[in-house]
Amino acid sequence: EADIYQTPRYLVIGTGKKITLECSQTMGHDKMYWYQQDPGMELHLIHYSYGVNSTEKGDLSSESTVSRIRTEHFPLTLESARPSHTSQYLCASSEDMGSSSGANVLTFGAGSRLTVL
Amino acid sequence: GESVGLHLPTLSVQEGDNSIINCAYSNSASDYFIWYKQESGKGPQFIIDIRSNMDKRQGQRVTVLLNKTVKHLSLQIAATQPGDSAVYFCADLSGGYNKLIFGAGTRLAVHP
Repeated sequence: EADIYQTPRYLVIGTGKKITLECSQTMGHDKMYWYQQDPGMELHLIHYSYGVNSTEKGDLSSESTVSRIRTEHFPLTLESARPSHTSQYLCASSEDMGSSSGANVLTFGAGSRLTVL
Repeated sequence: GESVGLHLPTLSVQEGDNSIINCAYSNSASDYFIWYKQESGKGPQFIIDIRSNMDKRQGQRVTVLLNKTVKHLSLQIAATQPGDSAVYFCADLSGGYNKLIFGAGTRLAVHP
């Protein structure tokens, strides 16, 4: 059972609203990630963090922002949501990937499906 | 840029048959690959991984084959079951240190 939690699971909001997607993990992982996934498509890395007070933008440009004030918490915020932000957002965490087989791969949350009207 | 991609978007198999899902990668320096399974409404789950110093690795009912010459890997599922129905992604660390890059995914549909 994955120890990484995302809320809300589903969110429908109007254009212009500010939203925050929550992500928490209880595994003590230093590294956390946000991926964006459209239905039936690949996952695109939009943000990552290697520890407290560390945040970086991923390969896919995103208007969202993140913060990492506590190890276990990595929220994602959209200041003014638009229909183009409609997507699924997946949070994940890991220790060092690839350092030992199978033990330190990404663990994903169940995702937050956002619909902006 | 570097990418990891899958050959087929959808694979339909009969229950009990073996399934083979293929993946091509473009970064010849990639040295670590992972297969994930994503069921409807859930986040991806780790299935199996393989390092570039291996060409085959087996798990429970799954085998991953790596062909570095043609930059191709495959996931073989033996005796496919209805519970195997999902989207399967390959991923590698071509994005850099601790940054997994995912392919487009193959949907596996298992029919009774």
